[in-house]
Amino acid sequence: DAGVIQSPRHEVTEMGQEVTLRCKPISGHNSLFWYRQTMMRGLELLIYFNNNVPIDDSGMPEDRFSAKMPNASFSTLKIQPSEPRDSAVYFCASSLASGRFRELFFGEGSRLTVL
Amino acid sequence: QKEVEQDPGPLSVPEGAIVSLNCTYSNSAFQYFMWYRQYSRKGPELLMYTYSSGNKEDGRFTAQVDKSSKYISLFIRDSQPSDSATYLCAMRHDSWGKFQFGAGTQVVVTP
Repeated sequence: DAGVIQSPRHEVTEMGQEVTLRCKPISGHNSLFWYRQTMMRGLELLIYFNNNVPIDDSGMPEDRFSAKMPNASFSTLKIQPSEPRDSAVYFCASSLASGRFRELFFGEGSRLTVL
Repeated sequence: QKEVEQDPGPLSVPEGAIVSLNCTYSNSAFQYFMWYRQYSRKGPELLMYTYSSGNKEDGRFTAQVDKSSKYISLFIRDSQPSDSATYLCAMRHDSWGKFQFGAGTQVVVTP
């Protein structure tokens, strides 16, 4: 059973370049989350979707960040233009929003380095 | 002040020892309490979750929640080198709310 799939696993880019991170959630899950993890700030929620609709994007750092979920099986997180302080591991997670408890299933992350 | 506080460690213990991890929080509205384990260069995975106060045991792992003190704990008995990982606590208000994560505690179990 495939888990959450993220690509690319590693990305090294130069400041000012556009970065696109991709996520395929677990089939049947209806909630998708984008997190960023750094040593300094830990795991931060950037944005989450329910049924492909963005519910809360208050964690998106600034207008350089955007996220889309065109269908139930695909989401992107875009950074344009990228800056060195965006260097982090970006995780996508999905869950099934039903019942009392909702477990988050994380992908393996996309490690971004902006030079 | 962060909503969830967790000592980042590292916490180094010899194999077979009991590992004790904890988090404190400030928001009394939290109802769901979780522990995630994250191996190096991997995503976090759920270890245990508890609803409201009380204890929960699963094999070598025991989770405790003390809502009156706003304090949660995770104990790992008979620790193994394979338990070496970062452990993150997480909590949320209700079944639909956002997860609030602690910073994570790095645990190293030495053979």
